[in-house]
Amino acid sequence: QLQLQESGPGLVRPSETLSLICTVSDGSISSSEYFWGWIRQPPGKGLEWIGSIHNIGSTYYNPSLRSRVTMSIDTSKNQFSLKVNSVTAADTAVFYCARHPRYSSGWHLYFQHWGQGTLVTVSS
Amino acid sequence: AIQLTQSPSSLSASVGDRVTITCRTSQGISSALAWYQQKPGKAPKLLIYDASSLESGVPSRFSGSGSGTDFTLTISSLQPEDFATYYCQQFNSYPPLTFGGGTKVEIK
Repeated sequence: QLQLQESGPGLVRPSETLSLICTVSDGSISSSEYFWGWIRQPPGKGLEWIGSIHNIGSTYYNPSLRSRVTMSIDTSKNQFSLKVNSVTAADTAVFYCARHPRYSSGWHLYFQHWGQGTLVTVSS
Repeated sequence: AIQLTQSPSSLSASVGDRVTITCRTSQGISSALAWYQQKPGKAPKLLIYDASSLESGVPSRFSGSGSGTDFTLTISSLQPEDFATYYCQQFNSYPPLTFGGGTKVEIK
């Protein structure tokens, strides 16, 4: 059964870079059939998509965050990662990693499997 | 970006009630819509994809309908474990992928 697990610092100082890793349990990160995504949720608020990545290097980023976000994949470690630079208090959120469904007559980029989420607080 | 407007933003209902949540999109998205359920402190869980397809393992009391700009999530008989917040998400046109603002279903 697929499991995704987010990891990274729970506290980041303003203006610094937030870095998170998502570890994938079943090896499917090496498959060309999936996109992988990051979503965040500020405390008490709704869901915001950050970006999605494919292991051949294709990436989609939310235009609202694109200038500050970088995503990458390391298939040798069964991981994909997120970096958000120049963070402010507004970046405080629970961050989720997720897997989109298998390619089927096109890319249907809803989120089929989610990690449990990790809270990142931006504060000095 | 395509905007998604959910209504109502919250509702109170009793066990056994039929509950309907609406998601309206700012542009037509064919059937490229998903619904999620989120309980406090937990990750969202996929319920419905492609507007009306039930995700494996999801109880059949959940159903989705609609296409174009107007979509509905229906819970035919509300159960105690269904009290949660529900979100819609479009995947027809991206970036960005976008979510609705959420509908909180509370106990009456």
